[in-house]
Amino acid sequence: ETAVFQTPNYHVTQVGNEVSFNCKQTLGHDTMYWYKQDSKKLLKIMFSYNNKQLIVNETVPRRFSPQSSDKAHLNLRIKSVEPEDSAVYLCASSSWGEAETLYFGSGTRLTVL
Amino acid sequence: GEQVEQLPSILRVQEGSSASINCSYEDSASNYFPWYKQEPGENPKLIIDIRSNMERKQIQELIVLLDKKAKRFSLHITDTQPGDSAMYFCAASAPSSFSKLVFGQGTSLSVVP
Repeated sequence: ETAVFQTPNYHVTQVGNEVSFNCKQTLGHDTMYWYKQDSKKLLKIMFSYNNKQLIVNETVPRRFSPQSSDKAHLNLRIKSVEPEDSAVYLCASSSWGEAETLYFGSGTRLTVL
Repeated sequence: GEQVEQLPSILRVQEGSSASINCSYEDSASNYFPWYKQEPGENPKLIIDIRSNMERKQIQELIVLLDKKAKRFSLHITDTQPGDSAMYFCAASAPSSFSKLVFGQGTSLSVVP
């Protein structure tokens, strides 16, 4: 099956803890993204990588750090989570270039208590 | 950077009628305008898109219109069905944006019998 796979589906943690989310795509794409979807369903891009290189880095707190080992994997680490980090984190992939369709994973729902 | 405004945020229509969602963008260089549908608990999926060399595109009951002068584009769903109930997001990207899609705020569409 070719798709975008995210783990875990859910994560509940306390303020100040560190969390890591994993994303893998088997679509053969060379560009991957992290989007944050908040409780109001707003979709905001956080990072994008092309062939392991950081391409887009939006204004995101420094506690967020993406990591890419190869073009099929893009992980997200959050050091010392804050309550406002509670959201669904959506990983996506696409081919590189203009006007390319984004394929989203099923998301990781983070709840920070 | 690009900003996309989407209205209305909530839309409720009778089954069989039409639904219209409107978006506006700021960057005149934007040339790709996709629409994504997100059903409850699911990830966003592309349903239709339009490029700046077109003014109108139709796929079955979905019609997208683009007015480049006014920097507006819209989605029209004809003969709505209960299965059309979902969140809909418009988006825009420019050639210089490194494949970065900027999404509108989303429209929650409910189709009632």
